[in-house]
Amino acid sequence: EAAVTQSPRNKVAVTGGKVTLSCNQTNNHNNMYWYRQDTGHGLRLIHYSYGAGSTEKGDIPDGYKASRPSQENFSLILELATPSQTSVYFCASGGLGESSYEQYFGPGTRLTVL
Amino acid sequence: AQSVTQPDARVTVSEGASLQLRCKYSYSATPYLFWYVQYPRQGLQLLLKYYSGDPVVQGVNSFEAEFSKSNSSFHLQKASVHWSDSAVYFCALSPSGTYQRFGTGTKLQVVP
Repeated sequence: EAAVTQSPRNKVAVTGGKVTLSCNQTNNHNNMYWYRQDTGHGLRLIHYSYGAGSTEKGDIPDGYKASRPSQENFSLILELATPSQTSVYFCASGGLGESSYEQYFGPGTRLTVL
Repeated sequence: AQSVTQPDARVTVSEGASLQLRCKYSYSATPYLFWYVQYPRQGLQLLLKYYSGDPVVQGVNSFEAEFSKSNSSFHLQKASVHWSDSAVYFCALSPSGTYQRFGTGTKLQVVP
């Protein structure tokens, strides 16, 4: 079964600090995604990747960077964290061809920026 | 523009009753459509998907959804709900088969 893991599961950061959220998938999927979930907004796409070395901007990329060093790993980086980035972050992966239309989600990371 | 609207933020139904959760989409062509369920403190799990063909699609746990091009809708239905169906349900569309756009979600509460 598809497996997507995220670390850490919970994180408290200070304003102006650097935060790195990590995602690992064992599905051998090409596509990976980072979303944030906020009440009243559903899930919003931050960055995504089509494979190792590639990153693309999603709908709300400002204040975030992404890194895809390998097929398995996709990181979301907040260089200068702000309280408005307090949210729950989800990573997802998607396969090839028609199966790429389906996404498999990790359990989420709850980030609080004080 | 590509968007998904779930007009009901909360829905409460009695156990054993039927259920419909509404989803309207905006897209110039026929998109790929999905319903996901999210249980507390968990990620999203796929319930069902529509790509083409039969407008009624079956999913896990006896859920089904009906695609309507004329109404730009993809409503989720279940004939008889169980207390364990209490969760948040998200409708999503994929215009290109890669990234997805999500609605704001509907919180379902099943009461005795």
